Amino acid sequence: TQLLEQSPQFLSIQEGENLTVYCNSSSVFSSLQWYRQEPGEGPVLLVTVVTGGEVKKLKRLTFQFGDARKDSSLHITAAQPGDTGLYLCAGEGTSYDKVIFGPGTSLSVIP
Amino acid sequence: GAVVSQHPSRVICKSGTSVKIECRSLDFQATTMFWYRQFPKQSLMLMATSNEGSKATYEQGVEKDKFLINHASLTLSTLTVTSAHPEDSSFYICSGERAGYNEQFFGPGTRLTVL
Repeated sequence: TQLLEQSPQFLSIQEGENLTVYCNSSSVFSSLQWYRQEPGEGPVLLVTVVTGGEVKKLKRLTFQFGDARKDSSLHITAAQPGDTGLYLCAGEGTSYDKVIFGPGTSLSVIP
Repeated sequence: GAVVSQHPSRVICKSGTSVKIECRSLDFQATTMFWYRQFPKQSLMLMATSNEGSKATYEQGVEKDKFLINHASLTLSTLTVTSAHPEDSSFYICSGERAGYNEQFFGPGTRLTVL
């Protein structure tokens, strides 16, 4: 069974600080997505990474896919209150059609 | 593009009644739709996968007779919670996957409260 772990589970930081969220597995994924979910709403896709070592940037967010395609990180520079939310990583295995979700990292950015 | 809607956004019902939730892909054809439930401060738990025109595939522990899923067209899937009980209260979210893409696009969710 493929599992995704995320760390930290909870993170509370001051506005302007930088942070990194991690998504790890012992399994290889053909692709991995990052989502942000705000309370009472559905997850919104931020990025998809498919190539080992790939780095994608979305304004202040930098996403990296591990060389072995088993892990990923999300780095936020100069966090803002609008970044507050639940960050979920989701991976599609190389032999499964099913996408599995990590448990999420709940981020709170304090003004 | 890739917008998914859900209706209703909130529903409150009495124990023993059935509730139907609709999930629509508004600007793309979703060959596959997924239904999830989510408890407060937890991640998404996949309930079932449905492909247009065929029976849904349910995850282990999800009762197919209690959670009826119909995927009648490439833009509509419905989840019916039959004989709802308070423990069915949760946030239900659907997603649609476009043919040829490995990305899911989520609806805004439906908050179900069973009294």
